[in-house]
Amino acid sequence: DVKVTQSSRYLVKRTGEKVFLECVQDMDHENMFWYRQDPGLGLRLIYFSYDVKMKEKGDIPEGYSVSREKKERFSLILESASTNQTSMYLCASSGHGDGGQFFGPGTRLTVL
Amino acid sequence: SQQGEEDPQALSIQEGENATMNCSYKTSINNLQWYRQNSGRGLVHLILIRSNEREKHSGRLRVTLDTSKKSSSLLITASRAADTASYFCATDDGNNRLAFGKGNQVVVIP
Repeated sequence: DVKVTQSSRYLVKRTGEKVFLECVQDMDHENMFWYRQDPGLGLRLIYFSYDVKMKEKGDIPEGYSVSREKKERFSLILESASTNQTSMYLCASSGHGDGGQFFGPGTRLTVL
Repeated sequence: SQQGEEDPQALSIQEGENATMNCSYKTSINNLQWYRQNSGRGLVHLILIRSNEREKHSGRLRVTLDTSKKSSSLLITASRAADTASYFCATDDGNNRLAFGKGNQVVVIP
């Protein structure tokens, strides 16, 4: 059974802290994505990656960075967390073909 | 980037009835996809329809695409309580990145 896992389901951090959100997929997918989901705004793409060590900005990259050192792992980094980054963060991966994107269960991050 | 927009935003139906949702988008697409999200969970891919296709079926799901009107519809037949979820359309412009709509909440009453 294919799987995308995220390091935490719930996370509480303080303003100014550095936050790491980890995502791992076991499907050998080339493409990986980070989204945030907020009520009334739907899913918005933060960053994505087509290959190891490659990254592309999405629609809302400000305040975030990413790292992809291995094909199966894509990390989202909040260098200095702020309260407006409180959100649900969803990781996804995709390969070739019509299978769409596979999503992890999400990490609900609260920044106090 | 473009974005799908679902309509209606919320739908409440009795078990056994059909549920229909619509999605509109603004620019040309390579394909359009529908996803389901159960409360507080990740999204699950339901079905993909390519820009040169007009209709596609998968089990109790039927998707149509009208590229001239830039719209798609998702029909769930014989709904079940387990179909209660949010449904999202997402457009792919051919660059492997998706633009999601804001979602459509469906409640199926047993």
